[in-house]
Amino acid sequence: DQQVKQNSPSLSVQEGRISILNCDYTNSMFDYFLWYKKYPAEGPTFLISISSIKDKNEDGRFTVFLNKSAKHLSLHIVPSQPGDSAVYFCAATPMTSGSARQLTFGSGTQLTVLP
Amino acid sequence: SQTIHQWPATLVQPVGSPLSLECTVEGTSNPNLYWYRQAAGRGLQLLFYSVGIGQISSEVPQNLSASRPQDRQFILSSKKLLLSDSGFYLCAWTVTDTQYFGPGTRLTVL
Repeated sequence: DQQVKQNSPSLSVQEGRISILNCDYTNSMFDYFLWYKKYPAEGPTFLISISSIKDKNEDGRFTVFLNKSAKHLSLHIVPSQPGDSAVYFCAATPMTSGSARQLTFGSGTQLTVLP
Repeated sequence: SQTIHQWPATLVQPVGSPLSLECTVEGTSNPNLYWYRQAAGRGLQLLFYSVGIGQISSEVPQNLSASRPQDRQFILSSKKLLLSDSGFYLCAWTVTDTQYFGPGTRLTVL
């Protein structure tokens, strides 16, 4: 049972335009969400996160939106640049009583930004 | 600043051979440590996590084991590798809610 789903395995966008990557989740206990960017043969790099008490978080060209009622989050990249071409993973973690947050990852979306 | 190291970067091993992958973190104390695997064309699967020395939690039953002999060292092991153990292994650390990943180890089992 996939608790975090990225239904688009790939996305192509023209340089300078907006990239929108989507993610859906099923577990209502998730309260913290993250986006990572991954190049081939490298570890994922943290991009941006959002807590369930917010519906938007912005950091430079990256904005994450959270719609709790729809159990949906999205990452907007504006403007898109060729260096943004990578696999993007969304991840979610539930409220826990312990100290170890366990991330559940989506399957990733390959973003290609065309020059 | 914090740094996470993994080695080796790549590894080719025959089926049935043992495995030892090492992860160390610098610049932080008492981190939570994690091992993930990314199989070809798939997302990241959490294998083990540790909240302290000698404390290991396993997320999925498998052919692998983990140990944390020191505060900032996390080791992934196997006594006998299977073909299905091939993948990209990632170590991660956190002291808050955000996990930061190491560069990964590409393991190919032949």
